[in-house]
Amino acid sequence: DAGITQSPRHKVTETGTPVTLRCHQTENHRYMYWYRQDPGHGLRLIHYSYGVKDTDKGEVSDGYSVSRSKTEDFLLTLESATSSQTSVYFCAISEGRGRQDGYTFGSGTRLTVV
Amino acid sequence: AQTVTQSQPEMSVQEAETVTLSCTYDTSESDYYLFWYKQPPSRQMILVIRQEAYKQQNATENRFSVNFQKAAKSFSLKISDSQLGDAAMYFCAYRRDLGNFGNEKLTFGTGTRLTIIP
Repeated sequence: DAGITQSPRHKVTETGTPVTLRCHQTENHRYMYWYRQDPGHGLRLIHYSYGVKDTDKGEVSDGYSVSRSKTEDFLLTLESATSSQTSVYFCAISEGRGRQDGYTFGSGTRLTVV
Repeated sequence: AQTVTQSQPEMSVQEAETVTLSCTYDTSESDYYLFWYKQPPSRQMILVIRQEAYKQQNATENRFSVNFQKAAKSFSLKISDSQLGDAAMYFCAYRRDLGNFGNEKLTFGTGTRLTIIP
């Protein structure tokens, strides 16, 4: 029971096509995050959500949009994929109860834009 | 904005020996958390250890311990009795403590790739 799943695990797409990555949680956590991981940069925050229909930008949000219509699902969309968006994308969830809070990460999606 | 710096892109250690991974951070906050995450080749992000800034005592988890120097803004990870399974990318991360008023994002360092030499 992973509690958080990402789909797809791998994807190859062409430049200019739209792409949607899905993050699904069964923990009923309030907070959800999308990060991208690139060599030499670590993980950088793209967007996050603090509730249904409540989202905000992270440090590398250009070219990405998100939606959260249900507590359990957080979608990341690349409107028109570019080669610079080739990366590994991680979703994370957290309960948001202050001092006891921790993050749980999905297993990542490797996206290649050709 | 908070920043996290890991100045060692790669480290290696002989099996059964001890290795220390470095991390420094920059913040003007007094209440925060620091974390070390491990990412093995499976790509899964695994929490290794967590330190609350208000605690003076360094956190330990079995063979993993930290040296937390708040004034110096330093947070190093020591791995004792290194094992082959410790080979991974290690990320240092920072999060501001908002108490019960919300949830702050994690800021990551660039990572240190640890190789274990048999």
